[in-house]
Amino acid sequence: LAKTTQPISMDSYEGQEVNITCSHNNIATNDYITWYQQFPSQGPRFIIQGYKTKVTNEVASLFIPADRKSSTLSLPRVSLSDTAVYYCLVDNDYKLSFGAGTTVTVRA
Amino acid sequence: EPEVTQTPSHQVTQMGQEVILRCVPISNHLYFYWYRQILGQKVEFLVSFYNNEISEKSEIFDDQFSVERPDGSNFTLKIRSTKLEDSAMYFCASRLGRMEGGNEQYFGPGTRLTVT
Repeated sequence: LAKTTQPISMDSYEGQEVNITCSHNNIATNDYITWYQQFPSQGPRFIIQGYKTKVTNEVASLFIPADRKSSTLSLPRVSLSDTAVYYCLVDNDYKLSFGAGTTVTVRA
Repeated sequence: EPEVTQTPSHQVTQMGQEVILRCVPISNHLYFYWYRQILGQKVEFLVSFYNNEISEKSEIFDDQFSVERPDGSNFTLKIRSTKLEDSAMYFCASRLGRMEGGNEQYFGPGTRLTVT
């Protein structure tokens, strides 16, 4: 049973806000929600992590509702360089289990 | 900003040969990992290493694989007898520690292994 479900792909335009929602209906009490970004032929890069409510850093925001069964990664004002695969991970284990991710394509 | 480095960036080897992939994790990190990504597929966990021993390994990490931290800086992945299906991008990652830095793992740029 997949731990997370996220859209396979999303298209956007420069300057827009991109919101990627991830479903994790079976999240456990001690699971954290973590998002990574990966460019072609590069290693994944940590974006943001949260447990509940809202977390914001310099690159993204993460919204987690009270039931924690889903989360939304928000990328404000995307640029062409934000074109990448975005992974939602839910785990309390130190090894990371990556799914297929969401391929975000930003167009001019 | 400190980063994880990996060498070589690309390794071509013949089937049955041994390869060693090298990684230099971030200096004060305590947990080390290897992942691989076959072209077009998802990133897969191979092994985690802490306190000079393997803490967890996946089914992929069979007897052909081994890891070592020979000194205070390097972390290596050895494949004893490579197979065609070992062709992939291999990523090293390190993590500071749960109490101090959360679960954030820092990944290296990867080594592309091509087995012919």
